[in-house]
Amino acid sequence: SQTIHQWPATLVQPVGSPLSLECTVEGTSNPNLYWYRQAAGRGLQLLFYSVGIGQISSEVPQNLSASRPQDRQFILSSKKLLLSDSGFYLCAWGGQGESEVFGPGTRLTVL
Amino acid sequence: SQKIEQNSEALNIQEGKTATLTCNYTNYSPAYLQWYRQDPGRGPVFLLLIRENEKEKRKERLKVTFDTTLKQSLFHITASQPADSATYLCALPPNTGFQKLVFGTGTRLLVSP
Repeated sequence: SQTIHQWPATLVQPVGSPLSLECTVEGTSNPNLYWYRQAAGRGLQLLFYSVGIGQISSEVPQNLSASRPQDRQFILSSKKLLLSDSGFYLCAWGGQGESEVFGPGTRLTVL
Repeated sequence: SQKIEQNSEALNIQEGKTATLTCNYTNYSPAYLQWYRQDPGRGPVFLLLIRENEKEKRKERLKVTFDTTLKQSLFHITASQPADSATYLCALPPNTGFQKLVFGTGTRLLVSP
């Protein structure tokens, strides 16, 4: 069966520090992959999606970037975090029909 | 772009009652609509998908309706239980282009024993 992993589960980082969140998927090949952010009390905001290795589409201009170095690996990065980057980051893959399967998420707090 | 409206206020009901959550959308009518459940600190979990040519879809105690005239979907949980307490999100696909869902902000359901 398909599973999706994210790490770390929680992260506290100072403003201006770099960020790297990793997402890996098992049990599927060539999945569509997504990064979302969910701010406190708000909905899911799509940040990036990818249809294949090296193919990244950005939805929202920001100081974040994404990369897909391998078929089942999706990485979210930042060179310098802002306070506004705090939130719950979710990786998801699409492939079971039209639905999306979400990972467990990473809670990021920028201080 | 699509705009989705879900009641931001929490819905409080008693155990055993039927919970009804609403999802309204503007602009184009989507080919389908999805409902997800999200527990605190966890990622959303897919529950049901209903297509534009389906009026109603059921899964165990869950029932979803889709009214393309009203641009509305209703999500019902019958015989609700405290374990049903969670936030429920509706999601729609784009009108054209790449497959990426647009999510509502969700409605929190609290079922009291």
